[in-house]
Amino acid sequence: AQTVTQSQPEMSVQEAETVTLSCTYDTSESDYYLFWYKQPPSRQMILVIRQEAYKQQNATENRFSVNFQKAAKSFSLKISDSQLGDAAMYFCAYRRLTGTASKLTFGTGTRLQVTL
Amino acid sequence: ETGVTQSPTHLIKTRGQQVTLRCSSQSGHNTVSWYQQALGQGPQFIFQYYREEENGRGNFPPRFSGLQFPNYSSELNVNALELDDSALYLCASSDRGGWETQYFGPGTRLLVL
Repeated sequence: AQTVTQSQPEMSVQEAETVTLSCTYDTSESDYYLFWYKQPPSRQMILVIRQEAYKQQNATENRFSVNFQKAAKSFSLKISDSQLGDAAMYFCAYRRLTGTASKLTFGTGTRLQVTL
Repeated sequence: ETGVTQSPTHLIKTRGQQVTLRCSSQSGHNTVSWYQQALGQGPQFIFQYYREEENGRGNFPPRFSGLQFPNYSSELNVNALELDDSALYLCASSDRGGWETQYFGPGTRLLVL
């Protein structure tokens, strides 16, 4: 079974600074997807960024980028120029490429605080 | 294009009761997945419906059941509620059996007393 581990329950960053959230995962599959979702106090999960394991290039979405290390099974999220609106729970998630159900397997989350 | 909606937003039930939660999928999506998120935890996959059929199930007992309707909206039913069923219930809609990006609704907060 696949597992996702987020070892940082809470992180704090000053506005305009850069922060990196860590995620490791365990799988025997060679192809899969990895995601970072953001869950603000409004509770709605919002997709931040997606990485296909077969792509060597790290995904980037504006201020958000990932460092995907397939051999190490590591998938960290870097947030540059942090803004107050980035404060939220961040969840790392894994999904197989094929199979019966396209379920997401989530980590336990990292709460990000953004301070002035 | 309308987003994913869920109803109700909050619900309080007592142990042993039954509850039905509803999810309207995003326009054009044929797949709905349900997740349970306990306090302080990440969401756990309950089951998925694709074109009105259950398409996979997580490690949840049979008292968790669901339906998907011809318009692809979905219901989650929980019988014989237990205290541990208190959680945020999220649904996510997607296309192509869920293999496209899953878009989440705002969730239903269920409290079982």
